[in-house]
Amino acid sequence: EAQVTQNPRYLITVTGKKLTVTCSQNMNHEYMSWYRQDPGLGLRQIYYSMNVEVTDKGDVPEGYKVSRKEKRNFPLILESPSPNQTSLYFCASSTTPFDRASYGYTFGSGTRLTVV
Amino acid sequence: AQKVTQAQTEISVVEKEDVTLDCVYETRDTTYYLFWYKQPPSGELVFLIRRNSFDEQNEISGRYSWNFQKSTSSFNFTITASQVVDSAVYFCALSEGGSGNTGKLIFGQGTTLQVKP
Repeated sequence: EAQVTQNPRYLITVTGKKLTVTCSQNMNHEYMSWYRQDPGLGLRQIYYSMNVEVTDKGDVPEGYKVSRKEKRNFPLILESPSPNQTSLYFCASSTTPFDRASYGYTFGSGTRLTVV
Repeated sequence: AQKVTQAQTEISVVEKEDVTLDCVYETRDTTYYLFWYKQPPSGELVFLIRRNSFDEQNEISGRYSWNFQKSTSSFNFTITASQVVDSAVYFCALSEGGSGNTGKLIFGQGTTLQVKP
């Protein structure tokens, strides 16, 4: 089954304790991205990756890191989480935006993160 | 600038009623993509439809239909004979497809649909 797998689904952590949210896709997609969803602010892009070893900042990258060492994985790293990073996070993958025939996003199930 | 506006914050209907969710977008690109996603109470984002800017054909899928009008920059979503299971937050989103674009999805604020039995 074609899917994007995020883990964990729920996470409660303390301020300053490094954490990683994993994201893996099995569709051989080149493009992957992270979004966060907050009440009143909607969904906003954190980071994206056009291909392996190519990553760039989205609209709200502060406090986050990513890496794209292999095509299928795109982990989101919070080196020192703070309460304002409490949010619902989504990983997404797609073919490239230039592939008109098949362009479309598949989202993971989401990770609900609480930083206390 | 890119922007997606879903003016209806919340809509409440009684089961079997038809309901239309509005979406208005702004973009300077001639090539772009429009999407609708459903977010049920469980939280995941479920893909409903993608429409390309060069294809204005309307689409029907069961009880769902979409009306894409470039002249008014709108991509409205209609649910016919609504059901309780349609209760969710619905997002309209835009992605520009021109050269140099980043593939970013611009989401509207979402419309919360409540279907009462």
